[in-house]
Amino acid sequence: GAVVSQHPSRVICKSGTSVKIECRSLDFQATTMFWYRQFPKQSLMLMATSNEGSKATYEQGVEKDKFLINHASLTLSTLTVTSAHPEDSSFYICSARDNRGNQPQHFGDGTRLSIL
Amino acid sequence: SQKIEQNSEALNIQEGKTATLTCNYTNYSPAYLQWYRQDPGRGPVFLLLIRENEKEKRKERLKVTFDTTLKQSLFHITASQPADSATYLCALDISGYSTLTFGKGTMLLVSP
Repeated sequence: GAVVSQHPSRVICKSGTSVKIECRSLDFQATTMFWYRQFPKQSLMLMATSNEGSKATYEQGVEKDKFLINHASLTLSTLTVTSAHPEDSSFYICSARDNRGNQPQHFGDGTRLSIL
Repeated sequence: SQKIEQNSEALNIQEGKTATLTCNYTNYSPAYLQWYRQDPGRGPVFLLLIRENEKEKRKERLKVTFDTTLKQSLFHITASQPADSATYLCALDISGYSTLTFGKGTMLLVSP
């Protein structure tokens, strides 16, 4: 089946560090990928839609300068949390939509980000 | 505002019984609804998609119904097993641009 690889799975770092998370579609092409954030016992909240070759679309309340998204190829999107602070600690999950259409979104296994 | 509600309490059932989970939504008419499974510390895994013109969809031990009048979907797992224990999420495309909005999920615990 369709596989989305997300890396790293866990990051622990000091406040002020920038952290990059990668999301790769392994066996399909994805013009569109999505980045979500999930707090404990809460639903996935969409942060932004990543579009290959163009700017990402951010949801209301999500700072684009804080959460930089790059989607340089049809199989890779990256999310960089810049100058991370403890309040950015969360579970970040990406998903990708297969370009072949009529497919559900396929999710990565998430990245647990802990800022000390 | 748009709302997606799932049973907030965990559902505890015995192995072999049928688990039924509920997803209710308001203020929208989605073209389709999806169900995902999420294990602790993992990303969601797609299970089933049901379209607005479908009343019921089945896949092995799973069954989903979709009542657009009641604005409700029911998700059933028959002959449940301890390995079915997980959180189950329903998701709708509320925006119309194929971006999903998720419910909070219902945790299912199947006891041996």
